[in-house]
Amino acid sequence: SQQGEEDPQALSIQEGENATMNCSYKTSINNLQWYRQNSGRGLVHLILIRSNEREKHSGRLRVTLDTSKKSSSLLITASRAADTASYFCATDSRSNYKLTFGKGTLLTVNP
Amino acid sequence: DGGITQSPKYLFRKEGQNVTLSCEQNLNHDAMYWYRQDPGQGLRLIYYSQIVNDFQKGDIAEGYSVSREKKESFPLTVTSAQKNPTAFYLCASTSSVTASEQYFGPGTRLTVT
Repeated sequence: SQQGEEDPQALSIQEGENATMNCSYKTSINNLQWYRQNSGRGLVHLILIRSNEREKHSGRLRVTLDTSKKSSSLLITASRAADTASYFCATDSRSNYKLTFGKGTLLTVNP
Repeated sequence: DGGITQSPKYLFRKEGQNVTLSCEQNLNHDAMYWYRQDPGQGLRLIYYSQIVNDFQKGDIAEGYSVSREKKESFPLTVTSAQKNPTAFYLCASTSSVTASEQYFGPGTRLTVT
């Protein structure tokens, strides 16, 4: 079952611009995470935000979580060509620690 | 070098043959997972294991089997019963089943013709 849904499905921007991706989910969560996947590779963990947190930063990444709207956003500031990848949100619940992934947003950063 | 390895990177099989995908980790993680990824799709959980000699079905276990005889190894067998086996397969691990952050291997792309 698909818990998270990312929006947009694809995003193309110029180097230096900011990129914002959104994730919506359906049921209560324990944590929400964002992962990155370069083409044909495994996923790399970027950031985790707990259900009682509203915002978290890590380098050029900023994640927000709105549990009342069941949504999260990932902002990448000052994007670089190397940020080109697919970005996935994943959620887990207290009753079930399995991760459920969305379909991802394909980000293309043009040099 | 600590991490998760999957082999081979590319695998080709004829329809009707079983095939086993390897996943090894030296992170001393208790929990291991197998996911399937199809084009334009997210990851779907096939099987997971919380401890040695124990594993549970995920969302799409039909046509797959696993074993967990050693902590560091979690091989996945794609059987001939799996109707559409061509996909990208990813293995992951976490330090414990309650630890959220998952560490992924590089994946195996299986093509069945």
